[in-house]
Amino acid sequence: AQSVTQLGSHVSVSEGALVLLRCNYSSSVPPYLFWYVQYPNQGLQLLLKYTSAATLVKGINGFEAEFKKSETSFHLTKPSAHMSDAAEYFCALSGSARQLTFGSGTQLTVLP
Amino acid sequence: EAGVTQFPSHSVIEKGQTVTLRCDPISGHDNLYWYRRVMGKEIKFLLHFVKESKQDESGMPNNRFLAERTGGTYSTLKVQPAELEDSGVYFCASSGEASGRLLTGELFFGEGSRLTVL
Repeated sequence: AQSVTQLGSHVSVSEGALVLLRCNYSSSVPPYLFWYVQYPNQGLQLLLKYTSAATLVKGINGFEAEFKKSETSFHLTKPSAHMSDAAEYFCALSGSARQLTFGSGTQLTVLP
Repeated sequence: EAGVTQFPSHSVIEKGQTVTLRCDPISGHDNLYWYRRVMGKEIKFLLHFVKESKQDESGMPNNRFLAERTGGTYSTLKVQPAELEDSGVYFCASSGEASGRLLTGELFFGEGSRLTVL
């Protein structure tokens, strides 16, 4: 069985502040991990992915995530939030099947 | 290049009626997935087509849901008869990734079809 837990369904940060969105996973096999973003009225878009190469993964729009096996975590960070980062973010894993298991999502609000 | 398109974007029906959702994947993508998100919860897998064949339909909730993929191109998801708990957003995604144990590449998602059952 596999699962993804996103801590915090809503996160608010000030513009220019650090963004930290938390994701923990459970998988019986070494997983591949993904972060997707959904802007209003759009489909999900891939931000970045970890597929067993470098543990620190850089994605689009200045986001990055670090795979920590010992902590079963894959937290998403961005040093400085921008108003355009306001969206819903989903952590997902690919484990024992050719499909994605998603977390429940984190709505990011960026305050001016 | 056109992305994944879904129709309708929003459908409102009454309990007991039938609804058919359509997905057109990116041209050339053999893999097509249906997912559903209910009431702000997690996005859950419904099924996976490889070309016209159902590779995995373990996420289909019950036999009121029927998915087809004619000729390995577009796909339809029919709900008949619809129940209140079927309300949610139905996402379609496609991938051109070759077969393998794990999904390593990117899924390309449509904007979703929001279904409201009254």
